[in-house]
Amino acid sequence: EVQLVESGGGLVQSGGSLRLSCTASGFTFGDSEMNWVRQAPGKGLEWVSYISSSGTTIFYADSVKGRFTISRDNAKNSLWLQMNSLRAEDTAVYYCATKTTGTSYFHYWGQGTLVTVSS
Amino acid sequence: QSVVTQPPSVSGAPGQRVTISCTGSSSNIGAVYGAHWFQQVPGTAPKLLIYDNSNRPSGVPDRFSGSKSGTSASLAITGLQAEDEADYYCQSYDVSLSSWVFGGGTKLTVL
Repeated sequence: EVQLVESGGGLVQSGGSLRLSCTASGFTFGDSEMNWVRQAPGKGLEWVSYISSSGTTIFYADSVKGRFTISRDNAKNSLWLQMNSLRAEDTAVYYCATKTTGTSYFHYWGQGTLVTVSS
Repeated sequence: QSVVTQPPSVSGAPGQRVTISCTGSSSNIGAVYGAHWFQQVPGTAPKLLIYDNSNRPSGVPDRFSGSKSGTSASLAITGLQAEDEADYYCQSYDVSLSSWVFGGGTKLTVL
């Protein structure tokens, strides 16, 4: 069974930093492209960042470019999102999600971790 | 303001059929990547419902179906059940923005 477990969320002040983690199991993590998708309270879904299976190709949404860094360690079945210079508008539940190479959809999702940025 | 638009809400009685539309452009739904649909029950993570316009992942009931025409896509739910009450999101890839995009979501109410 595919499992994605996010952690690291919490309350942080505006301008602060936080590092989110996503631990994967039940599939070959090293073969899967990974993404972070967020959802502000009461709002819709927003794609945040993408990393290829090898980690060599990375993309960011304009709203987080220059502030967030995505990374992965295939040996540890782990994905991270380093978030710096946090703003109130970054408050959201952050989900990690898999994407199969050659497709454009997010297949499996974690349960999410809540990040709250206080101003 | 999303480049892919959905109606904010739809409703239907148990047993009825409802459809949810998703309108995009030639840069996203109308491009090769097409449309995908997710179901999100409040308080839970999104779940893939339809991929590549009309395909159902294993375990998704055949009451759910998807279609695409030009730059728009639709999700149809037949035999509506109380458990179908959720938020539904369409998603695509926008080649002009080089970004994955979601519609704003549609809240389905089962009357």
